[in-house]
Amino acid sequence: NAGVTQTPKFQVLKTGQSMTLQCAQDMNHEYMSWYRQDPGMGLRLIHYSVGAGITDQGEVPNGYNVSRSTTEDFPLRLLSAAPSQTSVYFCASRTPGNTEAFFGQGTRLTVV
Amino acid sequence: RKEVEQDPGPFNVPEGATVAFNCTYSNSASQSFFWYRQDCRKEPKLLMSVYSSGNEDGRFTAQLNRASQYISLLIRDSKLSDSATYLCVVNLGAGKSTFGDGTTLTVKP
Repeated sequence: NAGVTQTPKFQVLKTGQSMTLQCAQDMNHEYMSWYRQDPGMGLRLIHYSVGAGITDQGEVPNGYNVSRSTTEDFPLRLLSAAPSQTSVYFCASRTPGNTEAFFGQGTRLTVV
Repeated sequence: RKEVEQDPGPFNVPEGATVAFNCTYSNSASQSFFWYRQDCRKEPKLLMSVYSSGNEDGRFTAQLNRASQYISLLIRDSKLSDSATYLCVVNLGAGKSTFGDGTTLTVKP
């Protein structure tokens, strides 16, 4: 069972570079989300999606774009990386209702 | 004010101790509630759901008080393996979930 797969696991970017963090799930979950986690803090919601073609902003969306062209994939794009975006990024998916979220293993991003 | 607030911790307890974590949420329209466990910055994993009627799973008991907008987690007979960060999570509906900052528990021999 693959579950939620994130790539890459580690990435170092220079300030101003752009990149896409990949997230794929094979559980046919409608809901997908991106979070960032900074040291000593909980997860903060960046963007989320309730289905293909539908996305919405979370708590900290600035500097990030998302799209949801398929149920399986939910990529997160950093438009112009900044040191403040150094963090661990988690992707999650779940079904509608009062259900458990399943997380990918995270992407550890450093912006220098 | 944060939407979900947890005890800041850290909690350092001896093996066998009972420890309780608290969490409050601000949105009265919140629909469902969970406790997740996170080890060493790995991905969070579901520990248990939280219901108004209470929910018990072995040494773990979770409770929800909707009137007070309060969630609790009780761990009895703590084990070394319980050392982790415990995250309170609130589902607001429409795919949106909010996490607390987490409470770190260290169980010592």
